[in-house]
Amino acid sequence: DQQVKQNSPSLSVQEGRISILNCDYTNSMFDYFLWYKKYPAEGPTFLISISSIKDKNEDGRFTVFLNKSAKHLSLHIVPSQPGDSAVYFCAASYNNAGNMLTFGGGTRLMVKP
Amino acid sequence: DAGVIQSPRHEVTEMGQEVTLRCKPISGHDYLFWYRQTMMRGLELLIYFNNNVPIDDSGMPEDRFSAKMPNASFSTLKIQPSEPRDSAVYFCASSSRGEQYFGPGTRLTVT
Repeated sequence: DQQVKQNSPSLSVQEGRISILNCDYTNSMFDYFLWYKKYPAEGPTFLISISSIKDKNEDGRFTVFLNKSAKHLSLHIVPSQPGDSAVYFCAASYNNAGNMLTFGGGTRLMVKP
Repeated sequence: DAGVIQSPRHEVTEMGQEVTLRCKPISGHDYLFWYRQTMMRGLELLIYFNNNVPIDDSGMPEDRFSAKMPNASFSTLKIQPSEPRDSAVYFCASSSRGEQYFGPGTRLTVT
């Protein structure tokens, strides 16, 4: 049973446009959500996070939105740059999970020049 | 800080051989995680430690897999005997709270 799902395995966007990556979860106990970016031959790197007490968190070109009622979060990248081309994983955890993260399957973003 | 260090970066071995993957977490982090990434199953948690104690090993696929953390700065993941279906990228990650920091991974190929 996949508790965190990324239904789009890939996404292609033109440079300068907005990239929107989506993630759905099923476990209502999740209260902390993260996005990781992964380049080939490297480990995932932390990008941005959001607590369930918020519905938006922004960091430069990256904004994460959380819709708790829909159990949905999204990552917006604007403007998109070719260097943003990578696999993006969303992850979720809850307070009593001992820092354990549940990851989605990832979405490969390709930003075309 | 050097980040999470994993060795080796690549390992090619024959079926039936013992494989040992190594991890040095970020100093001061009290959680350590071992993950496996495959095309079919994505990024899956195998086991994690808190203060060197294994907390959840429910993701360890079989008894052929074992993990140890003898001290706060070192952990191993051992596969004995290895099988071709163990071929994957194995990541180690550490954290103190919130976000986890990943190592570069070990690409394991079992022929």
